[in-house]
Amino acid sequence: KAGVTQTPRYLIKTRGQQVTLSCSPISGHRSVSWYQQTPGQGLQFLFEYFSETQRNKGNFPGRFSGRQFSNSRSEMNVSTLELGDSALYLCASSGTGGNAEQYFGPGTRLTVT
Amino acid sequence: DQQVKQNSPSLSVQEGRISILNCDYTNSMFDYFLWYKKYPAEGPTFLISISSIKDKNEDGRFTVFLNKSAKHLSLHIVPSQPGDSAVYFCAARNSNDYKLSFGAGTTVTVRA
Repeated sequence: KAGVTQTPRYLIKTRGQQVTLSCSPISGHRSVSWYQQTPGQGLQFLFEYFSETQRNKGNFPGRFSGRQFSNSRSEMNVSTLELGDSALYLCASSGTGGNAEQYFGPGTRLTVT
Repeated sequence: DQQVKQNSPSLSVQEGRISILNCDYTNSMFDYFLWYKKYPAEGPTFLISISSIKDKNEDGRFTVFLNKSAKHLSLHIVPSQPGDSAVYFCAARNSNDYKLSFGAGTTVTVRA
């Protein structure tokens, strides 16, 4: 089975721009979660999508949004980028949504200058 | 508000010895706990988990212990190997909404 894939792997943007990141979950997985990882902060939960519906949301501003398509692929968008948005963005998929074990992609490294 | 805390940012251990990683949590609604391992430039990979109804789970060289009354869990790696050098994240699942909360991670370095 192919793993979770994320594109692009690396991205450099300037302040004020917007960015869209993509995640393809493991085939058959319907739950996709997004996390932001910064040094010393661990993984901060952004949101979770299940069957095209946002099921959970973390404590991030409205500039962070996401969506999920009928094939379970997911995108997250960050508008009006700030320097503090520089981070590794990880996507994880799981089978039923109730299964705690999540499978992570390699992440997208976003640098905002 | 950090509900899962890994108070040791780093740990250095001799090859062959035991590595003990600690994790504390505050939310009594957590019902499932996991450890993930992360190498540079890769996403975290699932290592081992434990349900809140158990106090120990073992898988090969890895054992997780859960002390619910103390809201504390630990991961033991015996014996430690050079390939175990990585960042280890503790995570906990909230039984209300199934959200995972992660600790900040502990960087383990296994010395030859």
